[in-house]
Amino acid sequence: SQQGEEDPQALSIQEGENATMNCSYKTSINNLQWYRQNSGRGLVHLILIRSNEREKHSGRLRVTLDTSKKSSSLLITASRAADTASYFCATVPSGYALNFGKGTSLLVTP
Amino acid sequence: EAGVTQFPSHSVIEKGQTVTLRCDPISGHDNLYWYRRVMGKEIKFLLHFVKESKQDESGMPNNRFLAERTGGTYSTLKVQPAELEDSGVYFCASSQGRGEAFFGQGTRLTVV
Repeated sequence: SQQGEEDPQALSIQEGENATMNCSYKTSINNLQWYRQNSGRGLVHLILIRSNEREKHSGRLRVTLDTSKKSSSLLITASRAADTASYFCATVPSGYALNFGKGTSLLVTP
Repeated sequence: EAGVTQFPSHSVIEKGQTVTLRCDPISGHDNLYWYRRVMGKEIKFLLHFVKESKQDESGMPNNRFLAERTGGTYSTLKVQPAELEDSGVYFCASSQGRGEAFFGQGTRLTVV
């Protein structure tokens, strides 16, 4: 069953602006991960946040996790045209399998 | 270090034919996964190998799909016979543990 569900489905911003994507999930998790997929390419791992963590940073990325609300957000600051891609959250409820959402399509225009 | 590689990158076959997809994981990664994205839908888990053993195959859609990982190195995913609804992008990933999974570029399968 689908676990992660991203919001919005599509987002269009200009270079330099911040982009925020949200993810909601249904059951308890071990960790939550964010991935990026450029058109026609494979999935690239961005960041992993464990269930006992609330916030994590990596470069221009900031991820938060609220296990009480079963939600996470991904913030990309000072966006660039190269950030244009689809972004997926994926949860690991148990075991090792990733449960993906449908993704947010981000378009960053110059 | 080579990443996860998948062959072929694209495959177009007719309904009823057989197709075999191959995945070479990152060397030393015991965990190997197959995922599939059907057009317009989410990426779905198919199965998980630990070395040569199937740890979890709960996502395999039906018995037309057969995955193997002989020797615990590369893996193959065979679809026989292929149906129209099998069209999509098949991703392979590998990991050392429960953390970051490294994905291949995917195989785009089109069944006509």
